[in-house]
Amino acid sequence: NAGVMQNPRHLVRRRGQEARLRCSPMKGHSHVYWYRQLPEEGLKFMVYLQKENIIDESGMPKERFSAEFPKEGPSILRIQQVVRGDSAAYFCASTYHPGLSEQYFGPGTRLTVT
Amino acid sequence: GDSVTQMEGPVTLSEEAFLTINCTYTATGYPSLFWYVQYPGEGLQLLLKATKADDKGSNKGFEATYRKETTSFHLEKGSVQVSDSAVYFCALSDPASGGSNYKLTFGKGTLLTVNP
Repeated sequence: NAGVMQNPRHLVRRRGQEARLRCSPMKGHSHVYWYRQLPEEGLKFMVYLQKENIIDESGMPKERFSAEFPKEGPSILRIQQVVRGDSAAYFCASTYHPGLSEQYFGPGTRLTVT
Repeated sequence: GDSVTQMEGPVTLSEEAFLTINCTYTATGYPSLFWYVQYPGEGLQLLLKATKADDKGSNKGFEATYRKETTSFHLEKGSVQVSDSAVYFCALSDPASGGSNYKLTFGKGTLLTVNP
C-alpha cells in the first residue's frame, strides 16, 4: 500500500505567480489535512477536507489560498499571487477515520518564492 | 487556544546516552498526545501516542507518559542510536477545541543528533 504522495517535492515560484500543491492520500482514505511549516516553526493546521467537502478551513489565510479534494484525483492546495512569506514546507496527511486512526503524512512540498 | 511547548534544540548526544525531550501542553479539553519523528527528506511518522491520563506510549525503545497533573508528555529513551537522529515533534489533538476534525497542534520540533 503506497503511502501519502505529494508533488512536486520542491517548487520555486516568483512573486505573483500561482502555486499548486498536490496530495494523493493513502488508498482507502477519504480525509485529508494540510499543514504548513514555516522556518523555525512547528507545523500549523490549515484545512481539513473530506471527499468533495471542506470541513474546517479555520487555519487558512483568508485571501489567496484555497483547497479542494475532488471525487476523483488528488487534493489540491492552491496559492494565488504568491509572496515571499508563503515560502514554507507544506505537508498533507490522510486518515481513514479521524479520531480512531492515525494521520499518515506525506514527504511535503517545499515552496520557495523568489 | 491549544498549544504545545517542547524543549528547544538542537540536542546532541553520544550513542548509548539517555535521551529526554520535554513537552508540555495547554488544552481546552482532554486531548490525545503524540510524538512524531521526521527523518531527513521524509514526512512525519507517528512514533507513539497516549489517549488518557497515566497512559504510557512506547515504541522502538522510546516512551512517554501522559501526565495530566503537570500537563506534560516527555519523550525518553534509555540508550540512543545513531539511527535515532531526526527531528521529534510533540503534538496534541483536542476534540473540545477542534470539534470532530481531530486536527493536530504541534510543537516546534527538536532536532536530535546522535554521534557514534
